[in-house]
Amino acid sequence: KNEVEQSPQNLTAQEGEFITINCSYSVGISALHWLQQHPGGGIVSLFMLSSGKKKHGRLIATINIQEKHSSLHITASHPRDSAVYICAVRSWEYGNKLVFGAGTILRVKS
Amino acid sequence: EADIYQTPRYLVIGTGKKITLECSQTMGHDKMYWYQQDPGMELHLIHYSYGVNSTEKGDLSSESTVSRIRTEHFPLTLESARPSHTSQYLCASSDDGRAFFGQGTRLTVV
Repeated sequence: KNEVEQSPQNLTAQEGEFITINCSYSVGISALHWLQQHPGGGIVSLFMLSSGKKKHGRLIATINIQEKHSSLHITASHPRDSAVYICAVRSWEYGNKLVFGAGTILRVKS
Repeated sequence: EADIYQTPRYLVIGTGKKITLECSQTMGHDKMYWYQQDPGMELHLIHYSYGVNSTEKGDLSSESTVSRIRTEHFPLTLESARPSHTSQYLCASSDDGRAFFGQGTRLTVV
């Protein structure tokens, strides 16, 4: 079992839909990151969370430390949101290194 | 399993020394990246490469330099280390499917 599990693995949505990507982890963490990898391969850091909720534009990230779960929401999705979204946690159980989920491949159709 | 390796994992070095952080991947990916992360902060892209002999600076200004002479190798060099360079350095590579990250190098300059 992976320490960081993402769901779904693949997601296809229509433009305008509200999208949720989930990340569950089984280790103790000091922070959780959401990363976005564009189809061309470029990787962007979207959020770093240690508690609560953050919002950047149409993107919202939440984390529940007690439940060991985080969600990434995209409101009013657009084809340019099509990318791979990766959850990563910094875990003290692993010498404070980053542990990565497998990623969620999102495709938004117009 | 991802085949991307960083060495060393941990490095403590004196001010003024020249250091090279190694990153190698055996997946044949054209795209490679270096990220810097200070404790409790987000990941910041400092360098990227889209292929042999192609390197670009990322979003965060860095005094480091990189080279890409071979597809599988993307070393990062600090000509004269300073305490302000103390950080974690994370290497990644990607194809058009997903990104793979190395274990990271934790650098301390004293």
